[in-house]
Amino acid sequence: ILNVEQSPQSLHVQEGDSTNFTCSFPSSNFYALHWYRWETAKSPEALFVMTLNGDEKKKGRISATLNTKEGYSYLYIKGSQPEDSATYLCASQGAQKLVFGQGTRLTINP
Amino acid sequence: DAGITQSPRYKITETGRQVTLMCHQTWSHSYMFWYRQDLGHGLRLIYYSAAADITDKGEVPDGYVVSRSKTENFPLTLESATRSQTSVYFCASIPQGLNTEAFFGQGTRLTVV
Repeated sequence: ILNVEQSPQSLHVQEGDSTNFTCSFPSSNFYALHWYRWETAKSPEALFVMTLNGDEKKKGRISATLNTKEGYSYLYIKGSQPEDSATYLCASQGAQKLVFGQGTRLTINP
Repeated sequence: DAGITQSPRYKITETGRQVTLMCHQTWSHSYMFWYRQDLGHGLRLIYYSAAADITDKGEVPDGYVVSRSKTENFPLTLESATRSQTSVYFCASIPQGLNTEAFFGQGTRLTVV
């Protein structure tokens, strides 16, 4: 079973500030790293899927990087807005499995 | 409708009863997954399937059974429901061989009383 860890578990950020959080995953049997945004009572919404070491992806104010050799990925949010408040999940896809971390709960304070 | 659908959306059952949660996808994705949402744990993998007739245990399989006789369906059965199985359950699918995201059903909120 893959062991995916996210930190911090929760984060409070002032509106307008930038923030980042970490996902670590086993580098063996690695196929892809996923990031999702998850709001209460909704299904997770995909942000990025990355496969190559050194990959960087960007969607608006959100970006992510991937280091498959050391087994970590960072998610960055620039200029946080209240609508960014959500839980951010990463998941490691290896062989046939997709295993999620416990999530980082982000709250943006106006 | 195209997509991945779960049924029922809400279910209340009694301890000891058998209950089946349904998951149906219209894309013929190879990989399907069942997760449960637990506070502090995010989504925990219960069972997964790489293709029809191929299933395997995830992180928390005890008390659950799955089958996949057809590619599009992946039902999850709680053989004898316990209160600890009260949760929101999500089904997801991924196509084979593509670097694409997982597609999720709307979730089933199960309460065991």
